[in-house]
Amino acid sequence: GAGVSQSPRYKVAKRGQDVALRCDPISGHVSLFWYQQALGQGPEFLTYFQNEAQLDKSGLPSDRFFAERPEGSVSTLKIQRTQQEDSAVYLCASSYRDTRETQYFGPGTRLLVL
Amino acid sequence: KQEVTQIPAALSVPEGENLVLNCSFTDSAIYNLQWFRQDPGKGLTSLLLIQSSQREQTSGRLNASLDKSSGRSTLYIAASQPGDSATYLCAVRVYSGAGSYQLTFGKGTKLSVIP
Repeated sequence: GAGVSQSPRYKVAKRGQDVALRCDPISGHVSLFWYQQALGQGPEFLTYFQNEAQLDKSGLPSDRFFAERPEGSVSTLKIQRTQQEDSAVYLCASSYRDTRETQYFGPGTRLLVL
Repeated sequence: KQEVTQIPAALSVPEGENLVLNCSFTDSAIYNLQWFRQDPGKGLTSLLLIQSSQREQTSGRLNASLDKSSGRSTLYIAASQPGDSATYLCAVRVYSGAGSYQLTFGKGTKLSVIP
């Protein structure tokens, strides 16, 4: 595709609900990253995939956060039992090969937990 | 733990001025450094990437420098335009183990260029 796309762009959830955020990386990009950006802060790393393999999930804040990329293209970030502190923009990025290269970011999904 | 600081947090300049944005990082063992631009609702756009062995990179009116030993980088914008208004983020790429590298971001500098 022309760029990284994310859906939905906005999501409002009641505390305790589960949410699923989708990322479509640039076609052919091997590496995919998820970041969390709180208001007024820089993005913080959550997790990284190389094809379908999740090689680094050190940034996931709790076991309520789960990410997958089953066919090595589209990825889904799932948050279970959402809490107010999960409110943030969730950014997805992809790069052609590995983690040393420029990452191309999507527009993000803004999650608001009430 | 790597920490990235950007000063100032916000900057307002009249159109046509040259300006400098500052970035500092605590651990000099970086692989490369990247400057991004973030527009509201549009994600991040990569502006310049400087490898750890390089001193500077230029693209159009933008020039980024890197002094790895002192843990500093600057982004110079010449002849600023209203379209340059955005938040500018600095990020360092460091080895995180198991063959992968992670980006650590600063909080950004919000730039407003006044017509």
